[in-house]
Amino acid sequence: SQTIHQWPATLVQPVGSPLSLECTVEGTSNPNLYWYRQAAGRGLQLLFYSVGIGQISSEVPQNLSASRPQDRQFILSSKKLLLSDSGFYLCAWNPLTELQETQYFGPGTRLLVL
Amino acid sequence: SQKIEQNSEALNIQEGKTATLTCNYTNYSPAYLQWYRQDPGRGPVFLLLIRENEKEKRKERLKVTFDTTLKQSLFHITASQPADSATYLCALERGGKLIFGQGTELSVKP
Repeated sequence: SQTIHQWPATLVQPVGSPLSLECTVEGTSNPNLYWYRQAAGRGLQLLFYSVGIGQISSEVPQNLSASRPQDRQFILSSKKLLLSDSGFYLCAWNPLTELQETQYFGPGTRLLVL
Repeated sequence: SQKIEQNSEALNIQEGKTATLTCNYTNYSPAYLQWYRQDPGRGPVFLLLIRENEKEKRKERLKVTFDTTLKQSLFHITASQPADSATYLCALERGGKLIFGQGTELSVKP
């Protein structure tokens, strides 16, 4: 069966520091991968999605970037964190044949920028 | 721009009653709409998908309706239980992507 992992689960970082969040999927090949951010009491905001290695689409111009160095690995990065980058970051995947339909979410990373 | 609105206030109901959550959208006609459940501190979990040519879909105690004229989806939980307490998110397809509402928090009291 397929599983999705995210780490770390919680992160506290100072303003101006770099960020690297990792997401990996097991049990599937060629998944579509997504990064979302959820602010407190708000809905999910799609940040990036990827349909293959090295293929990244950005939805919202911002302080973050994403990379997909391997088929089942998706990384969210920042060179210098802002206070506004705080939030709950969720990685999700779905099979290549079901583009943008049912998505399966990871456990999330809670990021607090101080 | 695309706008999705869900009940912003928390919904409190008594165990055994039917919970009804609303999702309204504007400025678009999605090919399908989905409902997810999210528990505190966890990722959302997919519940149901309904397509534009379907008026109703059921899964156990869950029922979703989709009215493309009203641009509205209703999500019902019958015989609600305290374990149904969570935040429920609707998401609609737009240009091949999912746009999520802010969610409605449901609390079922014993």
